Amino acid sequence: NAGVMQNPRHLVRRRGQEARLRCSPMKGHSHVYWYRQLPEEGLKFMVYLQKENIIDESGMPKERFSAEFPKEGPSILRIQQVVRGDSAAYFCASSPYREGPDGYTFGSGTRLTVV
Amino acid sequence: QKEVEQNSGPLSVPEGAIASLNCTYSDRGSQSFFWYRQYSGKSPELIMFIYSNGDKEDGRFTAQLNKASQYVSLLIRDSQPSDSATYLCAVRRSGGYQKVTFGTGTKLQVIP
Repeated sequence: NAGVMQNPRHLVRRRGQEARLRCSPMKGHSHVYWYRQLPEEGLKFMVYLQKENIIDESGMPKERFSAEFPKEGPSILRIQQVVRGDSAAYFCASSPYREGPDGYTFGSGTRLTVV
Repeated sequence: QKEVEQNSGPLSVPEGAIASLNCTYSDRGSQSFFWYRQYSGKSPELIMFIYSNGDKEDGRFTAQLNKASQYVSLLIRDSQPSDSATYLCAVRRSGGYQKVTFGTGTKLQVIP
């Protein structure tokens, strides 16, 4: 029973390129949450998705960032035209419930470095 | 005012001592409280959650909640060097879907 799977583990992009981060939830989970952690900072909520729906994107920057969770396949967090300030660790968590589990189980994260 | 506040530390304790980690929150509607441990370069790992006022014990860990004071703490008894990590406090409001909000974490160093 695999946990939350994220890939790639490490991603290096040059400024202006696109970054695609993937998150496969635990089996049977249809709710996905994305968080970003800047160096030496706490986790900041970005977006909550259910299959084919964005439920809460209040933490997502209005420009360059988008997220999806299609009917089939992993959830994708997409960052267009990356800048140095996008360098961070991006974590996702999944849940079988709308109200969230008794705490999240996070994937191992994707560490994005923009050079 | 931050929604969830923690002292960034580092908090240094000798091996075998009790480590006390504290967290305050601003939203009185918060209902669920979590403690995560995060080793350097790793993802956060849930170690405790508490919903009711009082203490909740799990092995060497005790979570304490005081909703009137908007205060939650984590005690680690018989601290071990392997407990050295950053501890993140997180809260969630009551009522349907509510996102979990994290503090910035307290770095704990257990000195052998």
